[in-house]
Order: sequence, then structure tokens, then C-alpha cells
Amino acid sequence: GAGVSQSPRYKVTKRGQDVTLRCDPISSHATLYWYQQALGQGPEFLTYFNYEAQPDKSGLPSDRFSAERPEGSISTLTIQRTEQRDSAMYRCASSPPYRDETQYFGPGTRLLVL
Amino acid sequence: SQQGEEDPQALSIQEGENATMNCSYKTSINNLQWYRQNSGRGLVHLILIRSNEREKHSGRLRVTLDTSKKSSSLLITASRAADTASYFCALISSGSARQLTFGSGTQLTVLP
Repeated sequence: GAGVSQSPRYKVTKRGQDVTLRCDPISSHATLYWYQQALGQGPEFLTYFNYEAQPDKSGLPSDRFSAERPEGSISTLTIQRTEQRDSAMYRCASSPPYRDETQYFGPGTRLLVL
Repeated sequence: SQQGEEDPQALSIQEGENATMNCSYKTSINNLQWYRQNSGRGLVHLILIRSNEREKHSGRLRVTLDTSKKSSSLLITASRAADTASYFCALISSGSARQLTFGSGTQLTVLP
């Protein structure tokens, strides 16, 4: 695709509900990243994938957070039993295999937990 | 935790002036990058400087890196109103192949 896309762009949910966010990376990009960005702060790393492998999930704040990329392309980030502190912008980025230091970011999903 | 710290937190200048933002960090790095975030839009990569480089240019952007002081600066020359945005430094630490660590950003406002 032309760029990284994310859906939904906005999500409002009630505390305790599960939410799933989707990221569609730039085609041919092997590496995909998830970040969480609080208002007024820079993004914080959550996890990343190399194709379908998930070598690093050290940034996931709790076991309520999980991510998948089963076919090495589209990825989902799921938050179970959402809490108000989960409210944030969730950003996805991807990078090509041969130049994997520049990350190309999607527009983000703004999550609000009431 | 955020390793990079930008200074100043906010900067307001007139169109045509130069803007300088600084970033300090604590760890050894592979490279340091600068990103821009416009209101309501995604993060856009501006420039990458590697640990063995001291200065890099891209259009109106000039980035310097001083690894002995663990600091970097971003200079935007001849600023335009369209440069109004938040600017973040982000670093990849030595030993971390992928993880970008962002600072909290500098909010730049360019007044017409």
C-alpha cells in the first residue's frame, strides 16, 4: 500500500470491554512496531514483529495487552478488560527489511476508555 | 521510560527565523532520529544521524550529534508557518536492534 494504515481511527469503549486495533503496514515491509502515545508525550514502544515472529514484547504494560501478526502482514493489538489508563493514541509503524532503522508511522488509533 | 529529553519544551518564533531544538540522552546509541508530528497527523521521519556522524543536512534541516556529550540538535532554517508541529528525537540504543525510544518533544510554533 501507499502508507501504513490503521483502523479504527477513533475508538470509545467502556471500562472492562475488550478492544482490537488493526494495522496494515506498507507492503513488503518486514518489520512492524506498536507504540502507545499519551497526550503531550512521545510514543512508547510496546512490541514489534519481524514477519510473523515477535522477538520483543517487553514494552507491553500488562498481560491484558497482546499483539498478533499471523501471516506476516496485517497486525492486531488487543487490549482485554480495558481500563481508563489505557486511553491513549496507539501508533503502528513499519520498516523495510533492508533499511530497518527508519520507521514509517500510521495515523494512529485514538482510544478513549470511559 | 523515555531516554531522550528535548529542550525547550515549547518554542515560538516568527516566520523566517531559525529554530533550534536540543535532545539529550543517557545511553550509548546506534543512531538518533528526528520526527515531526503535526496536529492530528501521524509521525513523519525527518532525518537520521548515525553514531559515527557529527552533522547531517536535509533541505532546511541541519542535525548535529555529539556522542561525548550525549546530545543532538535540530536546526530548522528560514522557518515557515507550515513548520509548526511537535518535534521528537528518537534513538536506537546500542544493543537494541529495533526499539525506538522517543523524547517528550518540543512544540514549535511559527508565527506568520
